[in-house]
Amino acid sequence: GEEVAQTPKHLVRGEGQKAKLYCAPIKGHSYVFWYQQVLKNEFKFLISFQNENVFDETGMPKERFSAKCLPNSPCSLEIQATKLEDSAVYFCASSQSVTGVGYTFGSGTRLTVV
Amino acid sequence: SQQGEEDPQALSIQEGENATMNCSYKTSINNLQWYRQNSGRGLVHLILIRSNEREKHSGRLRVTLDTSKKSSSLLITASRAADTASYFCATDDDGNNRLAFGKGNQVVVIP
Repeated sequence: GEEVAQTPKHLVRGEGQKAKLYCAPIKGHSYVFWYQQVLKNEFKFLISFQNENVFDETGMPKERFSAKCLPNSPCSLEIQATKLEDSAVYFCASSQSVTGVGYTFGSGTRLTVV
Repeated sequence: SQQGEEDPQALSIQEGENATMNCSYKTSINNLQWYRQNSGRGLVHLILIRSNEREKHSGRLRVTLDTSKKSSSLLITASRAADTASYFCATDDDGNNRLAFGKGNQVVVIP
């Protein structure tokens, strides 16, 4: 398809619970990126994939965050033992290259940790 | 990592007026991109300008790039209520393998 599909749109978790977010990139796009947006401000880079391989994970909080992009499955971002400060909108984007063309973003998953 | 910084942060204009916003960055780049974010939505790619370009147009959008000053501007001409959104610049931050986004400009177009 021509859109990046993110599910669910909203997710509410109690502190300490697990959260799992999904992203279906555009077919033919080799790169997938995850960004975190807190309070409508700047976008914090988390991780990127080139096909199913981790490309750049320098933005990931290593202790509780993990992500995968497996063949024939949506990509996923998982947060173990969520904390209040994880509350944010998580955006997934896909692209045909790392930085040479524009990214196509999904509509995001709003995670609220209570 | 380096990020674009937009200026001003918020802009309120009447429909039909032009809106101009600026972005500065700190390191060398290969290209700079502008995105729009409507409330509750993801970013929409507007335009990309390469480091060897000085100006680019797309419809009512005009982007300039001054690599000597490490700055870019986005001009929206004849604004419409539908242009109400936040606008972000992003740079490829030469050497890094991702786009780095600035803090965003909120533009409100009053009908």
